[in-house]
Amino acid sequence: GESVGLHLPTLSVQEGDNSIINCAYSNSASDYFIWYKQESGKGPQFIIDIRSNMDKRQGQRVTVLLNKTVKHLSLQIAATQPGDSAVYFCAENTQGNKLTFGGGTRVLVKP
Amino acid sequence: NAGVTQTPKFRVLKTGQSMTLLCAQDMNHEYMYWYRQDPGMGLRLIHYSVGEGTTAKGEVPDGYNVSRLKKQNFLLGLESAAPSQTSVYFCASRTHGGGTDTQYFGPGTRLTVL
Repeated sequence: GESVGLHLPTLSVQEGDNSIINCAYSNSASDYFIWYKQESGKGPQFIIDIRSNMDKRQGQRVTVLLNKTVKHLSLQIAATQPGDSAVYFCAENTQGNKLTFGGGTRVLVKP
Repeated sequence: NAGVTQTPKFRVLKTGQSMTLLCAQDMNHEYMYWYRQDPGMGLRLIHYSVGEGTTAKGEVPDGYNVSRLKKQNFLLGLESAAPSQTSVYFCASRTHGGGTDTQYFGPGTRLTVL
């Protein structure tokens, strides 16, 4: 079946640097993408989303980029902070009511 | 608003026992979902509901049943628990229309089946 995957399972980043988390998706019919952050022992928390008619969307310290040509999604976190340490999931919406989640990338922020 | 809440937070069962996990949301969302998350993995959809009185199977429905008798509640049942059902269970909800497909998650229920 269609799936969403991630290139890097763990990303170590120095505090203050920018982080980039990548995600590849395989279903060209996907029309909506979401990034979630999950801290240890908690449920996934919405970060930012983007629709397929957009290439870029910015939030507070986060930017999502969508490249439909190569079916690639990325999340950029500016000036990474210790509180950004978590597992990040991308998810795609392909069937209207359901999301398909990737396996997750763990971000470790070094002081 | 409390958002999405789940009870219980933790539970230990013996093989063959049954239990029900409760999810409640106070956002008047039409859609609700049950996922399981295994160590080092993403979320897999068990069952979902697009409205009161309706349910549908997700990716991994076997061994689970659900009910949506009230719009704000979505129950997940395990009739005869197996060790393979040891996992963390998350409930989520979303509204219908309004320009967003974002799902909002509860804090999770950690279930261990011995």
